[in-house]
Amino acid sequence: DAKTTQPPSMDCAEGRAANLPCNHSTISGNEYVYWYRQIHSQGPQYIIHGLKNNETNEMASLIITEDRKSSTLILPHATLRDTAVYYCIVRPSSCSARQLTFGSGTQLTVLP
Amino acid sequence: GAVVSQHPSRVICKSGTSVKIECRSLDFQATTMFWYRQFPKKSLMLMATSNEGSKATYEQGVEKDKFLINHASLTLSTLTVTSAHPEDSSFYICSARDNGHRKEQFFGPGTRLTVL
Repeated sequence: DAKTTQPPSMDCAEGRAANLPCNHSTISGNEYVYWYRQIHSQGPQYIIHGLKNNETNEMASLIITEDRKSSTLILPHATLRDTAVYYCIVRPSSCSARQLTFGSGTQLTVLP
Repeated sequence: GAVVSQHPSRVICKSGTSVKIECRSLDFQATTMFWYRQFPKKSLMLMATSNEGSKATYEQGVEKDKFLINHASLTLSTLTVTSAHPEDSSFYICSARDNGHRKEQFFGPGTRLTVL
């Protein structure tokens, strides 16, 4: 699976948008970009995934650059409960039975 | 979203004892489940892939005789840490892949194991 690079930590003010970047310059054409987050002492939680089009759901928006070498997860109105480690993962096909490989992620701290 | 449960959520045991952790998919069937381990301030590391009705596939460096995995049904996988030692203390997380149309992986809440 392609490797991803994320900043180790970010802060965001409560109520503001949190923009979390991810570089995946070696991504292949059949690889999707997945985002998960892990709140302290809990299991990871699925947020969103996409292939090349921008995606939006009730939790977040995913913006993928045209060359697909990077993406940004956007939490439009961050709350204190969004404080977590956010993982950007690249993997083949959403139907793949392969495991998810976690990198170091970005520790997002939402400040009051 | 789909629900994956783990039991127990927290366990403390003496060195040398065995501990069994259960992972259940509550509202979907899962042919494949994954077991991860996470040490403090570290990322999740895959230990093994559990396949219903067949032997588990272990990652390099994970002892299959120490971490016994059984996946006897489409909704249950168990991880048994045998002869636990303090260095086995960790956060163990399972993940189940939905066989149905969602085809996504959903994670359990994790089990905190402390070996004294």
